[in-house]
Order: sequence, then C-alpha cells, then structure tokens
Amino acid sequence: GAVVSQHPSRVICKSGTSVKIECRSLDFQATTMFWYRQFPKKSLMLMATSNEGSKATYEQGVEKDKFLINHASLTLSTLTVTSAHPEDSSFYICSAPRQGLFGYEQYFGPGTRLTVT
Amino acid sequence: KNQVEQSPQSLIILEGKNCTLQCNYTVSPFSNLRWYKQDTGRGPVSLTIMTFSENTKSNGRYTATLDADTKQSSLHITASQLSDSASYICVVSEGNTDKLIFGTGTRLQVFP
Repeated sequence: GAVVSQHPSRVICKSGTSVKIECRSLDFQATTMFWYRQFPKKSLMLMATSNEGSKATYEQGVEKDKFLINHASLTLSTLTVTSAHPEDSSFYICSAPRQGLFGYEQYFGPGTRLTVT
Repeated sequence: KNQVEQSPQSLIILEGKNCTLQCNYTVSPFSNLRWYKQDTGRGPVSLTIMTFSENTKSNGRYTATLDADTKQSSLHITASQLSDSASYICVVSEGNTDKLIFGTGTRLQVFP
C-alpha cells in the first residue's frame, strides 16, 4: 500500500492565487522530505529538501519565495506555490526516505497535477 | 558532472515479448542504483535497488543487472503485459551525499 500520500491529486487555480500541496508519510516518520517537479515526458527535477524543524534547502534556480516549504511535523510537509502563473503548471511529486534493508529507500507520493489558468 | 543516461528514449513492443532497457551513469562515488516504474500521472514506484556488490536482482518479471566497473545497468522485462506500459526511470544515489541523480527515463508502450 501507499506509504506517502499527496493532497490534492489535481488542482486548477487562477493566475495570481496561491496553492498549497500536502505530502504525508503514512506509517513512518520523515525528518526529511523532497519536492520534485516534472514536466511532460521529462524526468523528475529536485526542487528542494524539506527539513523538519529547520529551513528548507532549495536547489539552484528555484525561488524560495515562490515555492514556500513548511515541514510542520515528522509526517507532513507542505509546498505552497505563491502567486501562481501558467508557467508553474506542472506535476509536483514529493518523496520521503524510509530505512530499508539496503539503506534508505525513497518512497514517492502519487503526485499533484497543478494547472494555472 | 554526475549524470544518468537511459536508452532508448522510447520503445514499442508487442504483448508477450521481452525487452531490455539500458542505463549508463557517471555518478561517483556510487552508493546504489534503483529502477522505478512511473505510470502516467502517478508517482514513481520502486522495482529494484542494487548496491555496488550486486550483479543481478529480480522482482517478478523484472530483472536488473549492474556492472559497477563499466557503470552500466539494464532492466529486462520478460513476457511483457499491457500494464507494463509506463516510464522506467534509472536513479543513481551519490555516495557522499545520498543525493539522487535521475535518468531521463524510457517510455515503454506495450501493444496487444
């Protein structure tokens, strides 16, 4: 079964509004979660690392004031796209590492399709 | 520069046939290599994870190989099914940071 959930799965918003996407680890705690962005027929691009209890770490080129990340608890991270524009339309995926037999295994959420009109 | 390249970019096969997907990487130091299956509009799901010392690992009809010397991996799918239609992503974990380096993926389509 799914171990990482995302909500909502799809969202359509108007240009200029803000959208919040939630990522939850369902049966384990994650002090770190990762946010990715994926364009059609492209691979995942890491946007930022969400750290529980401290500030997120953003990848080069990702605007931290536009993509606000809050790691509210050991099972929840949120990504808020502020003042969304059509070019922000994309598929957003989160992941959380969980200790497995061979080290940490990354479990990905089902993704959130954002469409900005 | 750490990179992961996959080939082919896309592949079309008939149901029941076998196929092999390739992954070449330049990531160093190397920690592990994973193959994920991503259905359209869904998040990636892990198929296999291989460490430096492993050469072959199977998961049902999926068999992954790893040659750490040549920095190549392959994913072999046996007796393909329509539900195998998806993107297959090779992901290499960097040894020092555990940072994931994603391949560009191979889009597989299985037709009846």
